[in-house]
Amino acid sequence: KAGVTQTPRYLIKTRGQQVTLSCSPISGHRSVSWYQQTPGQGLQFLFEYFSETQRNKGNFPGRFSGRQFSNSRSEMNVSTLELGDSALYLCASRSGGADTQYFGPGTRLTVL
Amino acid sequence: LAKTTQPISMDSYEGQEVNITCSHNNIATNDYITWYQQFPSQGPRFIIQGYKTKVTNEVASLFIPADRKSSTLSLPRVSLSDTAVYYCLVGDMISDSNYQLIWGAGTKLIIKP
Repeated sequence: KAGVTQTPRYLIKTRGQQVTLSCSPISGHRSVSWYQQTPGQGLQFLFEYFSETQRNKGNFPGRFSGRQFSNSRSEMNVSTLELGDSALYLCASRSGGADTQYFGPGTRLTVL
Repeated sequence: LAKTTQPISMDSYEGQEVNITCSHNNIATNDYITWYQQFPSQGPRFIIQGYKTKVTNEVASLFIPADRKSSTLSLPRVSLSDTAVYYCLVGDMISDSNYQLIWGAGTKLIIKP
């Protein structure tokens, strides 16, 4: 099976712009979670989607949003970018229930 | 608030066995213990998962005492390529609607030649 894929791998934006990141889960996986990781920090949970519905949400401002499509692919959007949004954004998928999360390679976002 | 506590960093040498212990005093009945490995600028990679006693796979062993308030990841005969950050997590793996893993800062393991 192909692993979790994320596009783009690298992105440079300026403050105030918006960005959309994409994640394709492992085939058959219905759950997609998004995380933000900044230098020196652990992973911070953004949100989880399951069957096109947001099921869990972390403690991030409303500028961070997401959605999931019927094929389980997910997108994450960040509006009005701030310098502090520079981070590695990771997507993870799982089939559901008592199952392990599998991570993609991440998208490195740099905000100038 | 992280549900786990683990050492910030550890050093060891090639060929040695490395044990990383994680404390999770408030582990709930439905929580499983999961360990991930992460290299710089890459996504975490699943290593091993367990609920109680001992679990072993091709890369590691996980020891969980009866009270489940701690766990130990054991990496046999480490090599330089095992230098990475190791995360211990506990999470409810039973309930689909309540699934959320809390990530701590992890343990930075450095293997020396």
